[in-house]
Amino acid sequence: DAGVIQSPRHEVTEMGQEVTLRCKPISGHDYLFWYRQTMMRGLELLIYFNNNVPIDDSGMPEDRFSAKMPNASFSTLKIQPSEPRDSAVYFCASSLRAGGEQFFGPGTRLTVL
Amino acid sequence: GDSVTQMEGPVTLSEEAFLTINCTYTATGYPSLFWYVQYPGEGLQLLLKATKADDKGSNKGFEATYRKETTSFHLEKGSVQVSDSAVYFCAREDNYGQNFVFGPGTRLSVLP
Repeated sequence: DAGVIQSPRHEVTEMGQEVTLRCKPISGHDYLFWYRQTMMRGLELLIYFNNNVPIDDSGMPEDRFSAKMPNASFSTLKIQPSEPRDSAVYFCASSLRAGGEQFFGPGTRLTVL
Repeated sequence: GDSVTQMEGPVTLSEEAFLTINCTYTATGYPSLFWYVQYPGEGLQLLLKATKADDKGSNKGFEATYRKETTSFHLEKGSVQVSDSAVYFCAREDNYGQNFVFGPGTRLSVLP
C-alpha cells in the first residue's frame, strides 16, 4: 500500500485566498484524522471522521475551516479565507479501527503571506 | 481533563549515550499508550505501544513500560545514534477509544 497520500506537499498563498488540502487514506481504514502542527501550539487535532461521517470537529479553529469526506478514499480540508496565522504543517492520518495505530501522511506545509 | 505530559526539550546527547524521555498521563481507566517519532520533514510514525499495565513495548532498541502505579510510560534507549535525532511524541488512547491524546513532543538531537 502507498500509505496516506496528501497533496499538495507545499502551498504558498496570499492572505484572503481559498486553500484546499487533500488526503487519500489507506484503503480499508475507517477513521480519518486532520491535524495541524505549529511550533507554538504543537500538534492539534482539528477533526476526525468515522466511515466518512464527522465525529468530532471541536478542534476546528473557526468557521473559515471546513472539512469533507465525500467517500472512503478522499477527504479535503478547506480554509476560506486564509490568514497568515493559518501557516502550519497540516497532517492527515488514518486508522483501521477505533483507537488503533494511526498512519500519518507526509503533511502539507502551508504558508500564507 | 485527561492529558499527556512530556519532559521539555530539546534534549541533546552524544552518540552512544543513554536516553530517557519521561511521559506521564492522566486518564480514567487504563488506556493504550504509544510513542510516535517524527523525523525531519516527515509525518509521525508509530515507534512502539503497550496496551495494558506492565506491558513493555519495544522497537529499534527503544523500550517503554506501562506503569499504572505511576501513570507513566517513559521512553528509553541504551545507546542513541545520530539517526535517532527526531521529535518524540507520547500518546494515549482517548476515553472513547476512538482517538489519541498526544503530548507536546520532545525534540532529541544526537551529536556525533
